[in-house]
Amino acid sequence: DTAVSQTPKYLVTQMGNDKSIKCEQNLGHDTMYWYKQDSKKFLKIMFSYNNKELIINETVPNRFSPKSPDKAHLNLHINSLELGDSAVYFCASSPQASWGAETQYFGPGTRLLVL
Amino acid sequence: DQQVKQNSPSLSVQEGRISILNCDYTNSMFDYFLWYKKYPAEGPTFLISISSIKDKNEDGRFTVFLNKSAKHLSLHIVPSQPGDSAVYFCAARTSGSRLTFGEGTQLTVNP
Repeated sequence: DTAVSQTPKYLVTQMGNDKSIKCEQNLGHDTMYWYKQDSKKFLKIMFSYNNKELIINETVPNRFSPKSPDKAHLNLHINSLELGDSAVYFCASSPQASWGAETQYFGPGTRLLVL
Repeated sequence: DQQVKQNSPSLSVQEGRISILNCDYTNSMFDYFLWYKKYPAEGPTFLISISSIKDKNEDGRFTVFLNKSAKHLSLHIVPSQPGDSAVYFCAARTSGSRLTFGEGTQLTVNP
């Protein structure tokens, strides 16, 4: 039983396209996150939602728009994809908004390649 | 401006020996440090953490050491096992802020 799941696992698309990545957690957690792991392998937080409300919005282009239809789901929509968007995107969840991220549970990642 | 650095992209160790993974940071306001472990095609999982008020934290085969004056922390795994082969990420945070991750070190434990 997957605790945090992401779809798709792989996504190859052309520059300029719009795509979405979905995330679902079945842990009953209140808070969900999106991280980006770039080509240099650094993991950086992009967004966080707590009970469907946006609580973190890092310096991310507004082509990226998170949407939380309910607290078990946090989707990431990306408009006008650029080459630099190629990365692995990780979703995570935690019981509450927590900076002690030992309580964060990560999904397996979505590997996005923009051609 | 990367505030958390793991300068060794990879480390290879024999089974049964000690693995030492290193991490350096530049922000003296960091007060909490964590290590995550990541297997291929999986997300990172929390391994062990240490508060800045301590200089050592131990959990089974895993021990984290913190040297605040040097802004350096290390993860010791002893004895190393083949199942420990993974990418290890160091992370740090200031009070009430988000985590800053290093770029990871690939550990390979050879049987």
